[in-house]
Amino acid sequence: DAMVIQNPRYQVTQFGKPVTLSCSQTLNHNVMYWYQQKSSQAPKLLFHYYDKDFNNEADTPDNFQSRRPNTSFCFLDIRSPGLGDAAMYLCATSRDRGRDQYFGAGTRLSVL
Amino acid sequence: QKEVEQDPGPLSVPEGAIVSLNCTYSNSAFQYFMWYRQYSRKGPELLMYTYSSGNKEDGRFTAQVDKSSKYISLFIRDSQPSDSATYLCAMSGMNTGFQKLVFGTGTRLLVSP
Repeated sequence: DAMVIQNPRYQVTQFGKPVTLSCSQTLNHNVMYWYQQKSSQAPKLLFHYYDKDFNNEADTPDNFQSRRPNTSFCFLDIRSPGLGDAAMYLCATSRDRGRDQYFGAGTRLSVL
Repeated sequence: QKEVEQDPGPLSVPEGAIVSLNCTYSNSAFQYFMWYRQYSRKGPELLMYTYSSGNKEDGRFTAQVDKSSKYISLFIRDSQPSDSATYLCAMSGMNTGFQKLVFGTGTRLLVSP
């Protein structure tokens, strides 16, 4: 089945230790998104790629970076995780901007 | 005022009940409307997707959009315990550059056997 796959499902890191989360898709969608979701809150968009075109949200901290080496893969890098970065990180894809998005299962990040 | 308002619940109903979930919004430029179901510790799953006003039905689920009232609804017929989850509405439109969805905070639904 075509899908959005996130690895790992759970990630534990230490305060200040860089961490990378990965996302892959078999939907061949043009757009890939990264969201941060904290408990009982709506997903918060961090950034998205339209093909290779990177679009950062104005309020996304510089601590968060992303890479999309090809259509299928996208990575979220957190350079120096703080305690406030503990959250569920969701990857999503869509055929085009603003349209229905398809989410992966998420990576739950804990920061010790 | 938030762009999208959604009652957080929880909404508790007995099995077999008809469930009504709702969102209101303030931006008249929204054109695409979606409902997502999110189980605990999982990613959101797209349930319904509608464009502009009207109704859309898929099995036990019906989505309604009333753009004149800036109000959208999701109805679940014959609710099941497996429907227990958080339901997020989401929408997008020209003013967001069609680039991003604006989500409600989600309504937690509990269906008891």
